Amino acid sequence: GAGVSQSPRYKVAKRGQDVALRCDPISGHVSLFWYQQALGQGPEFLTYFQNEAQLDKSGLPSDRFFAERPEGSVSTLKIQRTQQEDSAVYLCASSLEWGATRNSNGYTFGSGTRLTVV
Amino acid sequence: QKEVEQNSGPLSVPEGAIASLNCTYSDRGSQSFFWYRQYSGKSPELIMSIYSNGDKEDGRFTAQLNKASQYVSLLIRDSQPSDSATYLCAVEAENSGYSTLTFGKGTMLLVSP
Repeated sequence: GAGVSQSPRYKVAKRGQDVALRCDPISGHVSLFWYQQALGQGPEFLTYFQNEAQLDKSGLPSDRFFAERPEGSVSTLKIQRTQQEDSAVYLCASSLEWGATRNSNGYTFGSGTRLTVV
Repeated sequence: QKEVEQNSGPLSVPEGAIASLNCTYSDRGSQSFFWYRQYSGKSPELIMSIYSNGDKEDGRFTAQLNKASQYVSLLIRDSQPSDSATYLCAVEAENSGYSTLTFGKGTMLLVSP
């Protein structure tokens, strides 16, 4: 696709409900990040994929958060038993390459999914 | 823990003035530096990248990097009201076969007509 696509654009979940957020990166992009952005804050790292391999999940706030990218393209971020503190915008970013010396174009972000837990 | 620090602002400048946005980072191994612009309710948009010490200019934007001081800045000349947004500094470091990309909290810029 022409850009990074995320769905749904908005999600309202009742506390305790499970949610799944989808990211469709630019075709052929190797690197994929998930970030969580609370209101008035910068994006906070959640997890990183290089193709289908999840190389870093140190930012996932609890074991209720799970991410996958089974075929190295589309990625899904799943949040189980949602809590109010999970309310945030979830951003996906992808890049053609990885590595600071090769990544001359930076990362392209999707429009994000705004999750509100009530 | 990699840290990227920015003054949250808001930084208020009149139209036509130069806006100066600053960022410091903790990881000396950082190699790539990005400035993203984020309008309210929108996703971050890349406006500048810089990899070497010194200045890099692109139109009204100039990024400045000083690795010895672990400092990166963004200058916006002839500021316009449409430049009003939050500016995010992002730092990329390479380690163990992949990159990490860490963001600051952002500086809000307000350009008044």
